[in-house]
Amino acid sequence: GDSVTQMEGPVTLSEEAFLTINCTYTATGYPSLFWYVQYPGEGLQLLLKATKADDKGSNKGFEATYRKETTSFHLEKGSVQVSDSAVYFCALSGSAGNMLTFGGGTRLMVKP
Amino acid sequence: DGGITQSPKYLFRKEGQNVTLSCEQNLNHDAMYWYRQDPGQGLRLIYYSQIVNDFQKGDIAEGYSVSREKKESFPLTVTSAQKNPTAFYLCASSFRQEDEKLFFGSGTQLSVL
Repeated sequence: GDSVTQMEGPVTLSEEAFLTINCTYTATGYPSLFWYVQYPGEGLQLLLKATKADDKGSNKGFEATYRKETTSFHLEKGSVQVSDSAVYFCALSGSAGNMLTFGGGTRLMVKP
Repeated sequence: DGGITQSPKYLFRKEGQNVTLSCEQNLNHDAMYWYRQDPGQGLRLIYYSQIVNDFQKGDIAEGYSVSREKKESFPLTVTSAQKNPTAFYLCASSFRQEDEKLFFGSGTQLSVL
């Protein structure tokens, strides 16, 4: 079945540092890929998405590129802020009737 | 403002007790979902509903029940058969099941006394 694997956290960075959160997936066919973000005490919000190979999703300074050859969708940001502290979930929408499959989440903590 | 409202924010269950988590949306979405979130794990799908009066089991439906009598509402009951109910429960909706963007509520933390 479909699966998503994310790097374990927490990831702790200083403000203005470069961020990478790794995400790899296993799926049949050609899934769509997503990053969702969960701020403390809240539900998840869609951060960005990519629907086909080599697509780049971007939003709020975050980017991720759909790499079919490496089955990856790593999240990057050039300069993180304290307000980026949250849990980030990688997800895919694949073969099972478009149900989303989520990774385990990666907690990011940004220190001033 | 449109959105999804979950209540209560915190809920405690005694042994052998059924509890019901509320989820209401005013987004006019057809599809609604319940996920369970455990620390360090991804979200796991409990139940989902594409239209009123219809719902399907997700990956971990045992010990849970749902109803979809109104488009706006999708309550989840955690029954006494669920032996490990302590978790964060998230409700979500989408315009259609084929619509990949989900809108989430702010969640309910359920704990066992």
